[in-house]
Amino acid sequence: NAGVTQTPKFRVLKTGQSMTLLCAQDMNHEYMYWYRQDPGMGLRLIHYSVGEGTTAKGEVPDGYNVSRLKKQNFLLGLESAAPSQTSVYFCASSKISYEQYFGPGTRLTVT
Amino acid sequence: GQSLEQPSEVTAVEGAIVQINCTYQTSGFYGLSWYQQHDGGAPTFLSYNALDGLEETGRFSSFLSRSDSYGYLLLQELQMKDSASYFCAVRDGGQNFVFGPGTRLSVLP
Repeated sequence: NAGVTQTPKFRVLKTGQSMTLLCAQDMNHEYMYWYRQDPGMGLRLIHYSVGEGTTAKGEVPDGYNVSRLKKQNFLLGLESAAPSQTSVYFCASSKISYEQYFGPGTRLTVT
Repeated sequence: GQSLEQPSEVTAVEGAIVQINCTYQTSGFYGLSWYQQHDGGAPTFLSYNALDGLEETGRFSSFLSRSDSYGYLLLQELQMKDSASYFCAVRDGGQNFVFGPGTRLSVLP
């Protein structure tokens, strides 16, 4: 099992550009999450999904959109990137909500 | 508002016992989780408490007091590989999780 994978691992964007981050899990988990982690800080929940076709806002959803068209995939989109979105993005999935499995992260820099 | 507080740094020597505290103020409470994160790595799940009391998993234990909005992670027989950041997290309703700022543990030889 690969667990949770994220694509890409690194990305540099210019202000105003758009991009999509892909998260895939092969554990048949219902719940999936997107977090951001800024240097020296904890994780902040952006959006989450409780099942295929469902999404909900977390603590910091502004500037991001998500989609869960297939159970194993959870996409995070940035429509118009801003320097404040420079961060490390982690995807996670879980069968039991409190035990989340995290992907390796995507390091995004917006210049 | 939602807030979790943890000490920013803790230092201990190999073989010792260390306790990392977490206090929380959230609109709801459905359990306290603990995660470990090595530098440059992803968080990994350690422990979970939904009810008051102590949960033990090998060298790690976690405690919760809901009346005090307080919990802690206890690490015994510290090893160099335990040097990492440790985060507490509260599920405050639905699938909304709030993470603490993290405690950086340094284990010295």
